[in-house]
Amino acid sequence: DAGVTQSPTHLIKTRGQQVTLRCSPKSGHDTVSWYQQALGQGPQFIFQYYEEEERQRGNFPDRFSGHQFPNYSSELNVNALLLGDSALYLCASSLAGLVQETQYFGPGTRLLVL
Amino acid sequence: DQQVKQNSPSLSVQEGRISILNCDYTNSMFDYFLWYKKYPAEGPTFLISISSIKDKNEDGRFTVFLNKSAKHLSLHIVPSQPGDSAVYFCAASLSNTGKLIFGQGTTLQVKP
Repeated sequence: DAGVTQSPTHLIKTRGQQVTLRCSPKSGHDTVSWYQQALGQGPQFIFQYYEEEERQRGNFPDRFSGHQFPNYSSELNVNALLLGDSALYLCASSLAGLVQETQYFGPGTRLLVL
Repeated sequence: DQQVKQNSPSLSVQEGRISILNCDYTNSMFDYFLWYKKYPAEGPTFLISISSIKDKNEDGRFTVFLNKSAKHLSLHIVPSQPGDSAVYFCAASLSNTGKLIFGQGTTLQVKP
């Protein structure tokens, strides 16, 4: 039973560039959430996708966008990268329809913006 | 506005003893709480959860206690093992919102 997978594991970009991160959910899950974890902090919710639509969004600018595909996998896109976007980006999957969803996390993509 | 707080950045305990990790929250509407463990270079691993209709949930060595009046939850690990050394995050959510709000984390070190 494959867990949540993310690619790439590490990425280095320069300011102003654009980046795309990818996530495949745990088998049987249909909902994908993205989080940003800065050094020394807890993860912060970016947004959640269900049925190929953004269901919830956290306090992140429009430079952060996403997509969910029919196979439930997801992408996170960040445009016009800033130094402050350097962080660990975590993807979590869950099964919608449950009153209380437990989210399962992937290993993350570490992004460094120079 | 930190809605979920873990006020102890670190905790050190001896192997075999009890580890108690604490978490406070401000939003009384939260109705589901979770604990995650995180090793370096890995994503958070789900440990245990509790619904707001309960005050205790137990799973093996791990027990979570919820005190709604104090807006406080704690994770007890008994007995602690060196392999438990990791960063522990508490998280809270509102049903059907899909959004987890995390604390800053507590680094637990279990000494052999």
